[in-house]
Amino acid sequence: AQKVTQAQTEISVVEKEDVTLDCVYETRDTTYYLFWYKQPPSGELVFLIRRNSFDEQNEISGRYSWNFQKSTSSFNFTITASQVVDSAVYFCALSFPNTGNQFYFGTGTSLTVIP
Amino acid sequence: EAQVTQNPRYLITVTGKKLTVTCSQNMNHEYMSWYRQDPGLGLRQIYYSMNVEVTDKGDVPEGYKVSRKEKRNFPLILESPSPNQTSLYFCASSSLGGLGLNYGYTFGSGTRLTVV
Repeated sequence: AQKVTQAQTEISVVEKEDVTLDCVYETRDTTYYLFWYKQPPSGELVFLIRRNSFDEQNEISGRYSWNFQKSTSSFNFTITASQVVDSAVYFCALSFPNTGNQFYFGTGTSLTVIP
Repeated sequence: EAQVTQNPRYLITVTGKKLTVTCSQNMNHEYMSWYRQDPGLGLRQIYYSMNVEVTDKGDVPEGYKVSRKEKRNFPLILESPSPNQTSLYFCASSSLGGLGLNYGYTFGSGTRLTVV
């Protein structure tokens, strides 16, 4: 079975703190993609990153970084020096190009950054 | 501007009254999909389409219909809405790369549907 687990339902941090959002996935497929999306209070869903299963390099984009570890089936997302504008719900997702591109989303982590 | 346009943004309707939520994208994407978002359940796929006239069921297709007569449009039809279809709906599109690889979705702004 394919599954994405975001165990942290809600997280609150004080502005400028670092925060890591956890994502653990389950699959027996060897070819898959992992994604993170952001849903700010306005409700739209914004694509943040895509990672394929053959590329375990970590990625940094400004204050955002992603740590992909196949050994632990995790794709964690860290925000450094958090800001109030980072307050949002963040979704991790898994997709399979060989089976109709079905996407599996986690249930989301609601992040609140307190000024 | 590259975008996915959904209409309406908000809709309140009564049980059994057929409705259509429209979705249009201007990026020439092959892949389009509908999701519903419910508290504690995340996003669940309703239907998807990999190209014109090619549609398939997602995880929760019951009570919904779709069509893909043109590449840009992918309407979601509720023939006889019921209160359990009250939800936030998202349309999404994506380009398919080589070997059908999905390059990540562009989502519409969402449609908040209430069925009373």
